[in-house]
Amino acid sequence: DGGITQSPKYLFRKEGQNVTLSCEQNLNHDAMYWYRQDPGQGLRLIYYSQIVNDFQKGDIAEGYSVSREKKESFPLTVTSAQKNPTAFYLCASSTQGLEAFFGQGTRLTVV
Amino acid sequence: AQRVTQPEKLLSVFKGAPVELKCNYSYSGSPELFWYVQYSRQRLQLLLRHISRESIKGFTADLNKGETSFHLKKPFAQEEDSAMYYCALGNGANNLFFGTGTRLTVIP
Repeated sequence: DGGITQSPKYLFRKEGQNVTLSCEQNLNHDAMYWYRQDPGQGLRLIYYSQIVNDFQKGDIAEGYSVSREKKESFPLTVTSAQKNPTAFYLCASSTQGLEAFFGQGTRLTVV
Repeated sequence: AQRVTQPEKLLSVFKGAPVELKCNYSYSGSPELFWYVQYSRQRLQLLLRHISRESIKGFTADLNKGETSFHLKKPFAQEEDSAMYYCALGNGANNLFFGTGTRLTVIP
């Protein structure tokens, strides 16, 4: 069953804590992306990676970090430096044709 | 720099009426344009892309390079078309840039 999987679906974080969101794909896609979705603001790009061991900052990278040690995996860490982390996070992957496949998303809430 | 603009955050139309969701882009190269749709409780998914020039679920979109637009159109809206629609720009380097989205509501 091919696809892109995000976990967990819901995540709660205490103030000052780092938290890592998982994103795994078995589509053999080179590119992977992390977006943040807020009401009324659409999708905003956090980080993207075109190949293993390489990634680039998107529009709102501050307070986030990523790694790309394997082609299949692109975890996102929301650090304590992110001032407003409560949001819906979407991971996507794409191939050269640029059709992006999205995960189901992770809703992060700071408590 | 590349940018995608969707000027309407919300759009409501009556069932059977024509619908047009606007998308404008800025990009110095040759763009690849897409429309993505997110139905309630479903994943964001590709609706159509300009290079295939296809009609999906009755929707079409024509790339107008002179006006730098890629508006999404459907002649007769259906209730099941109610969703969030995102226009996206690909720059040929595996980078995808999305607009802020338009929430379409089709009124019965």
